[in-house]
Amino acid sequence: QQQVKQSPQSLIVQKGGISIINCAYENTAFDYFPWYQQFPGKGPALLIAIRPDVSEKKEGRFTISFNKSAKQFSLHIMDSQPGDSATYFCAARTSGSRLTFGEGTQLTVNP
Amino acid sequence: EAQVTQNPRYLITVTGKKLTVTCSQNMNHEYMSWYRQDPGLGLRQIYYSMNVEVTDKGDVPEGYKVSRKEKRNFPLILESPSPNQTSLYFCASSFRYEQFFGPGTRLTVL
Repeated sequence: QQQVKQSPQSLIVQKGGISIINCAYENTAFDYFPWYQQFPGKGPALLIAIRPDVSEKKEGRFTISFNKSAKQFSLHIMDSQPGDSATYFCAARTSGSRLTFGEGTQLTVNP
Repeated sequence: EAQVTQNPRYLITVTGKKLTVTCSQNMNHEYMSWYRQDPGLGLRQIYYSMNVEVTDKGDVPEGYKVSRKEKRNFPLILESPSPNQTSLYFCASSFRYEQFFGPGTRLTVL
């Protein structure tokens, strides 16, 4: 049972466009929602994270929007660049340091 | 350099031949875990360890074993590998909420 559902599975955008990846969760006990970025041949690395007491967090071109009532959160990449091409995973913290991950989104930014 | 290392990076083996994938971290983290990554399924946790001699099952533990005798090492053991364990495996260690991943081990079981 996937506790964190992620969509779309793949996404193609043009350089300069906005990339949007969505995640939905069911467990209201989740208390920390990170996004990880993974380049081919590498392990995932933390990109940005949010707690449920805020609705938005922005770091550079990357923004997380969080809707607690809908149990949804999304990653927005503004001015997408070819270097942003990677696989993105949303996740949710269950307890201690345990994370439950979404299925992943393969983003391709065309030049 | 702070890092998580895994060995081997690539491994092809046959059904039933015991193997161990090593994982080591130099950040003095207490929490370590193993994940497998499969297309369309994301990262699924196999086992995790809160500290030395403390391990627990994750979401997909069947067919795997782990041990945590030292803080820095957390090996993953497949005592009788099967083709459905063909996957990309990641070890991770954690400081507070952030998990630091190793480079991955691509395992093929024939």
